[in-house]
Amino acid sequence: AQSVTQLDSQVPVFEEAPVELRCNYSSSVSVYLFWYVQYPNQGLQLLLKYLSGSTLVKGINGFEAEFNKSQTSFHLRKPSVHISDTAEYFCAVHQGGSEKLVFGKGTKLTVNP
Amino acid sequence: NAGVTQTPKFRILKIGQSMTLQCTQDMNHNYMYWYRQDPGMGLKLIYYSVGAGITDKGEVPNGYNVSRSTTEDFPLRLELAAPSQTSVYFCASSYDQDRYFGPGTRLTVT
Repeated sequence: AQSVTQLDSQVPVFEEAPVELRCNYSSSVSVYLFWYVQYPNQGLQLLLKYLSGSTLVKGINGFEAEFNKSQTSFHLRKPSVHISDTAEYFCAVHQGGSEKLVFGKGTKLTVNP
Repeated sequence: NAGVTQTPKFRILKIGQSMTLQCTQDMNHNYMYWYRQDPGMGLKLIYYSVGAGITDKGEVPNGYNVSRSTTEDFPLRLELAAPSQTSVYFCASSYDQDRYFGPGTRLTVT
């Protein structure tokens, strides 16, 4: 069975600092990878996704992620965060041919002034 | 487009009561899903549907039922509410692999 591990449950950073949210997955077959963001008291929104092609994927709000097949990782990065990036971020993996999207437990990013 | 809408936003139930969480999407998506979100646990799939008249169990279906009579609507039914069903419930629809989530229903069972 697939699993997704988000290595940090909470990440505090100062405004304008860079940030990396880590995600590892376990799967021996081709997968699609996603990052979703959840702002307080809202549903999840798609931030970016990797389906195929270039391993560096750019998303909304200046976020990007790099797919690393050998390390089975899909870490999310932003070079300079804003207060408004404070939210919970979920990594998810979708195995081709399945309808199931498996989510990690989430990482709460808190951006402090 | 309104996207995915859910009602109610909040609900408190007593143990043993029943209720239906409503979900509607106006994007003509065939695929729809129900998830529950518990603190620190991510999202768990309860049920999903690949089209009108077709539903299937997810990871945590016990205590829930669904139906899908139209493309737009995918209600989730709790028959005998239990404290373990206290959670935030999200409905989603999808096109290709992208999920579109509703704003959620916060349910408390006491």
